[in-house]
Amino acid sequence: QKEVEQNSGPLSVPEGAIASLNCTYSDRGSQSFFWYRQYSGKSPELIMFIYSNGDKEDGRFTAQLNKASQYVSLLIRDSQPSDSATYLCAVNMDGSARQLTFGSGTQLTVLP
Amino acid sequence: DGGITQSPKYLFRKEGQNVTLSCEQNLNHDAMYWYRQDPGQGLRLIYYSQIVNDFQKGDIAEGYSVSREKKESFPLTVTSAQKNPTAFYLCATTGTRRPNEQFFGPGTRLTVL
Repeated sequence: QKEVEQNSGPLSVPEGAIASLNCTYSDRGSQSFFWYRQYSGKSPELIMFIYSNGDKEDGRFTAQLNKASQYVSLLIRDSQPSDSATYLCAVNMDGSARQLTFGSGTQLTVLP
Repeated sequence: DGGITQSPKYLFRKEGQNVTLSCEQNLNHDAMYWYRQDPGQGLRLIYYSQIVNDFQKGDIAEGYSVSREKKESFPLTVTSAQKNPTAFYLCATTGTRRPNEQFFGPGTRLTVL
């Protein structure tokens, strides 16, 4: 059974701080990793995806992948109140988004 | 205006009734998915379809049925056999141009009375 684990939170950070969201996965064959943001009552939207070990940066967001430790994280720099949402980690084995296993999400609150 | 539409936005069902949730897309995407989300939980895959007239069970298919007669449409029927159907239902698609992204519809919130 493939599993993706996230701390449910809530995680609270002050405005301007770095928010760090973590995710571990059980299937060592996993190849691609996705972070989605979901506002309350809305559908998820993709923030980033990462395939290779190391860091991938996109604006204020950085995804970090360590396949040896089966660990992927998302850093949000200069956090804004508008970043307050639930962040879902998703994992796929075949290198595309065709089938994803989602974690339960981490609720982030950025305090003004 | 391209995208995914789901209807209705809110749906109330009495116990013992079947209901069908609509998902339509004009993105020309081949793959379509149905997920269920319970409060405070992640998304769980119900069914998916890679091409027309073909679909596969996901992790929680019991009590649900689907059809894929057209590329644009992937309706989900929640049958009376689904013991706890109250949830947020999300339809998603993936195309060949951007295989790294699943696009999600706005969702249908189903409540059993």
